[in-house]
Amino acid sequence: EAHLVQSGAEVKKPGATVKISCKVSGYTFSDYYIHWVQKAPGKGLEWMGFLDPEDGEEIYAETFQGRVTITADTSTNTAYMELTSLRSEDTAVYYCATHGPRGLFFDHWGQGTLVTVSS
Amino acid sequence: AIQLTQSPSSLSASVGDRVTITCRASQGISSSLAWYQQKPGKAPNLLIYDASTLESGVPSRFSGSGSGTDFTLTISSLQPEDFATYYCQQFNNYPPLTFGGGTKVEIK
Repeated sequence: EAHLVQSGAEVKKPGATVKISCKVSGYTFSDYYIHWVQKAPGKGLEWMGFLDPEDGEEIYAETFQGRVTITADTSTNTAYMELTSLRSEDTAVYYCATHGPRGLFFDHWGQGTLVTVSS
Repeated sequence: AIQLTQSPSSLSASVGDRVTITCRASQGISSSLAWYQQKPGKAPNLLIYDASTLESGVPSRFSGSGSGTDFTLTISSLQPEDFATYYCQQFNNYPPLTFGGGTKVEIK
């Protein structure tokens, strides 16, 4: 059974950078993409992008292109999401998630990491 | 990008009611649609994939239907633990993977 555990809450100032981790266990890390999803207060879920741990391919949503980077350390089965040039609108809970062989929908999620951007 | 429009955005219902939520895609997505339930402070939970396949462990009162552009999530008899926000997500065309705006199910 896949298990995803994320790093703790962060408070950042506008213009800063945040980097969140997602440690994976219970399956072969390189088998499935790691995705990141944003849930801002009062808004819906928004897909940010994914990384293929097997070959390092990254795909990002246009909304976040240029500000988000997803990486992975295959030696520790940990994925990272870095978001730069933070603004108040980036205040949100960020989730890592993975899919299985059935398709690109998310059957396992991390617990979420709250990022607060405030001066 | 494929846009998903959910309706209604919120609804009030009583325990035991039959509840239907719709999700319309801006272009055809075959049956590549999933539904999630999210409760406050929790990660989303997969309910249905491939438009109508119930995820293991999900109660049978949840069902999904549709293909192409129009999809439905039905809760046959609403239970107290079902009060939550529900999202649809398409995985036919990407990037980007896209979610609907959500439907909040509240207690009447």
